[in-house]
Amino acid sequence: GAVVSQHPSRVICKSGTSVKIECRSLDFQATTMFWYRQFPKQSLMLMATSNEGSKATYEQGVEKDKFLINHASLTLSTLTVTSAHPEDSSFYICSARDRLDTQYFGPGTRLTVL
Amino acid sequence: DAKTTQPPSMDCAEGRAANLPCNHSTISGNEYVYWYRQIHSQGPQYIIHGLKNNETNEMASLIITEDRKSSTLILPHATLRDTAVYYCIVRVKDGTASKLTFGTGTRLQVTL
Repeated sequence: GAVVSQHPSRVICKSGTSVKIECRSLDFQATTMFWYRQFPKQSLMLMATSNEGSKATYEQGVEKDKFLINHASLTLSTLTVTSAHPEDSSFYICSARDRLDTQYFGPGTRLTVL
Repeated sequence: DAKTTQPPSMDCAEGRAANLPCNHSTISGNEYVYWYRQIHSQGPQYIIHGLKNNETNEMASLIITEDRKSSTLILPHATLRDTAVYYCIVRVKDGTASKLTFGTGTRLQVTL
């Protein structure tokens, strides 16, 4: 199947700093990418849908000014958690949709905010 | 997208077939059934999807009932590495507004 990578896999930061997470589709082009968040022992929750060259669409309750998404190319989307706080600590997972409309997921990024 | 119902957990002996059921009684005619699994602390892995015909690939088989109100994912020879949470999701394919919405899934434990 198609491969999606994320970087970094794990990040620890101080409260108030910003963290950028990259998501890349390695062997296909993705006009649409998605960002999910998963808290311990819970299921994945969709945060936003990212379309190449346009503004992201955020799910209800997700602050667009706090979670900045950029999808500058067909293989790269970034999520920036601005002014991170301990409650933002979570497992962030991206996915990319291929031309056959199947979504493939990255390995996830574990964010810990101290 | 239609809602799905899965048992919260199942056990399976290694080497045996694991049959994971999913109910999707409100599925629409243009909605596909997708299966993903998530091994602990990893991103979900795509397994298989189908519309109404049974499907098989190198990982699993998907059996969809004739009325499409339920389906079964079959792992023919489960191994310890198949221990994971399995998600059954129905969604419209080829729609820009279509999203994968995850429920709570079935936690499959494969044992020796």
